[in-house]
Amino acid sequence: AQKVTQAQTEISVVEKEDVTLDCVYETRDTTYYLFWYKQPPSGELVFLIRRNSFDEQNEISGRYSWNFQKSTSSFNFTITASQVVDSAVYFCALGGNQFYFGTGTSLTVIP
Amino acid sequence: DAGVTQSPTHLIKTRGQQVTLRCSPKSGHDTVSWYQQALGQGPQFIFQYYEEEERQRGNFPDRFSGHQFPNYSSELNVNALLLGDSALYLCASSFLKTSGTDTQYFGPGTRLTVL
Repeated sequence: AQKVTQAQTEISVVEKEDVTLDCVYETRDTTYYLFWYKQPPSGELVFLIRRNSFDEQNEISGRYSWNFQKSTSSFNFTITASQVVDSAVYFCALGGNQFYFGTGTSLTVIP
Repeated sequence: DAGVTQSPTHLIKTRGQQVTLRCSPKSGHDTVSWYQQALGQGPQFIFQYYEEEERQRGNFPDRFSGHQFPNYSSELNVNALLLGDSALYLCASSFLKTSGTDTQYFGPGTRLTVL
């Protein structure tokens, strides 16, 4: 079965703190794709990153970084020096023929 | 470059009625997927259309149906509305490849309220 678990329902941090959002996935596929999306209050899901199962290199994009570990089936997302504009719900998703989303982590950055 | 667009933005219906939601994909995309997102939950896959046919379907009843037009735009129809159908309906477009999975880009959604 395909499944994505985001155990952290809500996280609050003070501005400029670092924060890590956890994502654990389950799949029997040997080839699969992992995604992170941001959903601000407006509701539109904004694509952040895509990772395929045979590329375990970590990635950094500005203040964002992603740690993909197949051994633990995890694809964690870290925001460095958080800002108020980072406040949103973040979703991890497993993609194949269809996408499976986690339940999301609501991040609040307090000024 | 226009992104994914959806209409209407908001919709209020009563139980038993029927509703049609519309989606135009991002330029260059040929595949449209529909998701239902209940409050506080992650999006749930309804179905995906490619070449005007339903390619994949999630665990949704037949009351949920769709259509894709030659210009790749799509409609989601829901018949016999139930209170539980109240949700944000998201459309996502992508470019289908012969292998692998393309990134899905989402529209702003249609908020459906069933009274």
